[in-house]
Amino acid sequence: SSELTQDPAVSVALGQTVRITCQGDSLRDYYASWYQKKPGQAPLLVIYGNDNRPSGIPDRFSGSSSGTTASLTITGAQAEDEADYYCNSRDSSADPLLGTGTTVTVL
Amino acid sequence: QVTLKESGPTLVKPTQTLTLTCTFSGFSLSVSAVGVSWFRQPPGKALEWLALIYWDDDKRYSPSLKTRLTITKDTSKNQVVLTMTNVDPADTATYYCAHRSGYCGRGDTCSSYFDFWGQGTLVTVSS
Repeated sequence: SSELTQDPAVSVALGQTVRITCQGDSLRDYYASWYQKKPGQAPLLVIYGNDNRPSGIPDRFSGSSSGTTASLTITGAQAEDEADYYCNSRDSSADPLLGTGTTVTVL
Repeated sequence: QVTLKESGPTLVKPTQTLTLTCTFSGFSLSVSAVGVSWFRQPPGKALEWLALIYWDDDKRYSPSLKTRLTITKDTSKNQVVLTMTNVDPADTATYYCAHRSGYCGRGDTCSSYFDFWGQGTLVTVSS
């Protein structure tokens, strides 16, 4: 199917590790990117090409992909990581696909 | 330095046509593989992809909005325009434009990602 599904919400204790997943058939063939979205701010690219981190993104953010699941891991979550996270890939027609979004709460 | 900025009306009446302009700098939309995309986020709801235009004028649209959207570019002005016809209160959202880059592996695996974003512009649809 041409959909990317994410868990609606996850929580993580301050300083602990959280993994956010994105599931979709297209992820078997195409690359995933991830965006952080905070209220009142533009989305911020945190991972592209499954596991590449743009300049300026802290190394506590990492990405991976296997089969039909892409993952974003935050190792040592900080209070400022509390946000919504969206995955992105493409379908077989090269049209962008956007995930349903995951709200990360840092406790 | 890549920058993008959205502009357009803040208030539109139902059934009217919404026209939004993305004015950018720091890149050219005549360079291979470059694109500009539009997204939106209704209050309290998820981010949604709307449309994408490539350097070669290839245009892609969200299947759910395809009949109402048109995306065009003016390379000389460094602008991309999105029009949405027959707006409804459900179209109330913050609209963003973004620079598209591509990550490619073997074969036809190139996947878009959006590395620079505008600040967004809030559009309210109300009578």
